[in-house]
Amino acid sequence: EVLLVESGGGLVKPGGSLRLSCAASGFTFSNYAMNWVRQAPGKGLEWISSISGSSGYKYNADSVNGRFTISRDNAKNSLYLEMDSLRVEDTAVYYCARDSGIGGYSNSLFDFWGQGTRVTVSS
Amino acid sequence: EIVLTQSPGTLSLSPGERATLSCRASQSVRSSLLAWYQQKPGQAPRLLIYGASSRATGIADRFSGSGSGTDFTLTISRLEPEDFAVYFCQQYGSSLSLTFGGGTKVEIK
Repeated sequence: EVLLVESGGGLVKPGGSLRLSCAASGFTFSNYAMNWVRQAPGKGLEWISSISGSSGYKYNADSVNGRFTISRDNAKNSLYLEMDSLRVEDTAVYYCARDSGIGGYSNSLFDFWGQGTRVTVSS
Repeated sequence: EIVLTQSPGTLSLSPGERATLSCRASQSVRSSLLAWYQQKPGQAPRLLIYGASSRATGIADRFSGSGSGTDFTLTISRLEPEDFAVYFCQQYGSSLSLTFGGGTKVEIK
């Protein structure tokens, strides 16, 4: 069974930093690209970052480019999101999502999702 | 960027009725790379349909997708109590080309 479990969310002040983690199990982690998708309170879904299976390709949405860094540790079956210079508008539930693309490359179709971790940016 | 517009915003129906949800794209979606997700309150989204009309693993056959180009439809043939949720469409293909629609809430009438 594919399982994705996020952690690391919490309350942080504007300008602060936070590191999210996603522990994966039930599949060969290195064979799949992984993504972070967020959902602000009462809003829709927003893709923010993607990383290929080998970490050779990384992409960010414009809204987080230069502030958020995606990474992974295939030996630990874990995905990370380092978030710096946080803004009030970054408040959201952050989901990690497995990419269905073949060979560790992204096609941005998300076939499994974690339950999410909540990030609140407020003074 | 392709903008996806979903309608209606809210659909009020009774169990057993047919639900028809629309997703319209601002430009043609390449190779019908259009997906639908279901999200229940407090839960993560779940993939229902990909490639505009293919059901994901384990998805009941009362869910069907259709369409091409700029107009896509998700149909739930007979609503079950567990189907009342929010539905999002998404166009995909690469990390440089993906957007979500704003969602349609299917609520109990």
